[in-house]
Formats: sequence, C-alpha cells, structure tokens
Amino acid sequence: GQQLNQSPQSMFIQEGEDVSMNCTSSSIFNTWLWYKQDPGEGPVLLIALYKAGELTSNGRLTAQFGITRKDSFLNISASIPSDVGIYFCAGRPGDMRFGAGTRLTVKP
Amino acid sequence: ETGVTQTPRHLVMGMTNKKSLKCEQHLGHNAMYWYKQSAKKPLELMFVYNFKEQTENNSVPSRFSPECPNSSHLFLHLHTLQPEDSALYLCASSQVLGDYYEQYFGPGTRLTVT
Repeated sequence: GQQLNQSPQSMFIQEGEDVSMNCTSSSIFNTWLWYKQDPGEGPVLLIALYKAGELTSNGRLTAQFGITRKDSFLNISASIPSDVGIYFCAGRPGDMRFGAGTRLTVKP
Repeated sequence: ETGVTQTPRHLVMGMTNKKSLKCEQHLGHNAMYWYKQSAKKPLELMFVYNFKEQTENNSVPSRFSPECPNSSHLFLHLHTLQPEDSALYLCASSQVLGDYYEQYFGPGTRLTVT
C-alpha cells in the first residue's frame, strides 16, 4: 500500500519563528489533509487539498499540494505557544493513510 | 468541538471484561470509522462503515466487534482484550461524495487493558 513519510519527527523552535514540515508518498495521491492533535484530544482538521499545485491558507498556516502529487507541505508562520502539538498529514486514494506525525515544541 | 463525540473518554478494563465504546456524529455524514492510535505509530484504520454497511475490516482481531445501527452512531464492542490493545481509539466521520473525503475526529477513548 501507499507509504507516507512525514518529516521532521520533531521540532523545537523559538516563539516567532516560522515552521515547515512535509509529507511524501510512494505513489500519486488525489487528496492531502493536514491535522493537528493536542494532548488527550483527537486530530483536528486544519487544511484540505484536492488539486496538484493547490496552495491553501488557514490563518498563519499554509499548505501546498505538490506538483508531482506525491508530496505536501505545511508551513506555520510566526509561531506562538499554542501551536504546540502533533501535526499529521493524511492522504488518499483508497483508504486514508496517515503520517507518523511531527511533534512541535514552541519555546516562549 | 468537531461534531463527533465519544464515550467514555477513559476506560480501564481487565482482560476478561466486556465493554463498549460509543461514537456519535452530529454532522449528517454518511461514513464512520474506527482508528487505533498507538504511541509513535501512524493511525491504524480498523473499520469503515459507508452508508451503514461495513466496507472495510483491516484484519482486526475478532475480539473487536463493530456495530453501526444508523448513520449517526457507531459502537466498538470489546471482549477478552490483550494488554497490547491499550491505545487511544478514535472515531471519525466523513461525507463521502466523489473525491470529497474530509474526516472529522472525535476526542478519542483512552483504553488501558490490565
């Protein structure tokens, strides 16, 4: 089946810095989703992408559907302490596949 | 609040117990899912119900038994579990319409098997 590689596994940044993470697949995807999960909670959908090259923003978050359709990127600008959490990518066709997550720590 | 609720939020059970997890979605979606989330591993899809019919069973042990009485409710019945079944169990729902496939998750049930 399709494998999703998400990197980096963890990030430690200073408040105010920009953050970038990405996911790659071994095959072509037609949907990319990005989620954030806080401790003790379920993942919350941040951004959904459906077209190659699509660039979508949600506040300080921006995600892109890669041109090759095998990757996606999530950027967070001017990070704040509440950005702390685990960010997951997910994609399909077929059953939704999830990356292992990027754990983000923001130091005030 | 994502529109998907799960109860209980925490559950501790012995290996000989029988318990059930409940999920309810208030979004009018037509598909519901059970996922298992273990530490440092990607979410594992367990069961999919599309229009109330089970369409996927990803080789889940028979000690897990799903039930979907209607499009808004989903249960996961548990019996004779093993300690390695301890995990966060997440329910999700989506409106399956062409390529539109956004899944919305509940807060999860933290299960501990002793």
